[in-house]
Amino acid sequence: SQQGEEDPQALSIQEGENATMNCSYKTSINNLQWYRQNSGRGLVHLILIRSNEREKHSGRLRVTLDTSKKSSSLLITASRAADTASYFCATGARAGGGNKLTFGTGTQLKVEL
Amino acid sequence: GAVVSQHPSWVICKSGTSVKIECRSLDFQATTMFWYRQFPKQSLMLMATSNEGSKATYEQGVEKDKFLINHASLTLSTLTVTSAHPEDSSFYICSEVTSGRPNEQFFGPGTRLTVL
Repeated sequence: SQQGEEDPQALSIQEGENATMNCSYKTSINNLQWYRQNSGRGLVHLILIRSNEREKHSGRLRVTLDTSKKSSSLLITASRAADTASYFCATGARAGGGNKLTFGTGTQLKVEL
Repeated sequence: GAVVSQHPSWVICKSGTSVKIECRSLDFQATTMFWYRQFPKQSLMLMATSNEGSKATYEQGVEKDKFLINHASLTLSTLTVTSAHPEDSSFYICSEVTSGRPNEQFFGPGTRLTVL
């Protein structure tokens, strides 16, 4: 599978600032999802954007999708120390009865007080 | 809803032994399950996809005889790492999909395997 690339690999900001992470992928997609992972834990689903959508909001999260450039961005506004985690984008394609995900390389976000 | 558990949460074993990891959906029926492997500070790599009652589909480069997957019921899937070696040490994560919400994967908390 072709893994997506995310940048930056690591991001360190102050609490209250905005954090922007970018994701690029290589193949056609049905949807793109963003996940969060705290160290040594499982993944938490944040948001899903379909291939025919350009922007989506959920609380302090804003996701954009540009299928012509095969890229997406995740913006976290007014960041908090509790937002410290790794963030992964994942592109979805149908597989069996579910949606097969290919994960990006991830961005490690650190929000400092 | 959509709670997935994994057992054990961590395991340490000797080289050459086999380790079984369980993945359970606690409040829904999972039609499809995925198994991922994650090395330290790296992303998740899909190992295999399994549908209830049928054989798992393995990703390229994943040995099906080494990583045995059984999806015997709609609430339980198991991954057995056979004859484990130190290079198999990793974080193994399962995820499950239900037919009513095929685009969403619900992830288990992961199992940390360390092979000595």
